[in-house]
Amino acid sequence: DAGVIQSPRHEVTEMGQEVTLRCKPISGHDYLFWYRQTMMRGLELLIYFNNNVPIDDSGMPEDRFSAKMPNASFSTLKIQPSEPRDSAVYFCASSLEGGAYEQYFGPGTRLTVT
Amino acid sequence: AQSVTQLGSHVSVSEGALVLLRCNYSSSVPPYLFWYVQYPNQGLQLLLKYTSAATLVKGINGFEAEFKKSETSFHLTKPSAHMSDAAEYFCAVSEGFQKLVFGTGTRLLVSP
Repeated sequence: DAGVIQSPRHEVTEMGQEVTLRCKPISGHDYLFWYRQTMMRGLELLIYFNNNVPIDDSGMPEDRFSAKMPNASFSTLKIQPSEPRDSAVYFCASSLEGGAYEQYFGPGTRLTVT
Repeated sequence: AQSVTQLGSHVSVSEGALVLLRCNYSSSVPPYLFWYVQYPNQGLQLLLKYTSAATLVKGINGFEAEFKKSETSFHLTKPSAHMSDAAEYFCAVSEGFQKLVFGTGTRLLVSP
């Protein structure tokens, strides 16, 4: 298996622009997680899905952030409009059956908002 | 809510020395506990996990961790550090058996 795939690997955008991050989980995994990592706040869980349904989005910082999972093999995290404080590395992870099982992380998308 | 505390944001050791990274957990139920490692510019990968079987858990790359309920600890150890062990290490606890709560991470520095 190719593992969790994220695109793009790097994104540089100007403040106010829309940003879309993409994730393809490992085939057969029922859970998908979006995390954000910064020096100041560490690793934060933004939202997670079970069988394509959002279960907990309490970590989403504000309404500018939205996430979708239209099918079992694809998820997006959208920021609109983007702000400099959104600069971070965003990770997608997938898991076979939830938190008691190993989460497999993608390589991350490094977002820079200028 | 479950939580983990990692003591020390940075730990420095010499190559060949013992590695000890500390993690204490808070959980209202018997926990599932994990250690993940993150190498530069990469995602996290699982080192080992405790799921209420043996209290001493062996992981990849010679790492192991011992679950101590009386001390609410799950410290990570390796008898002899290697230069390639330099990375950031995260302790995590399962919450509700659906998601993980991660600690703030400990950066391990290994000097020759």
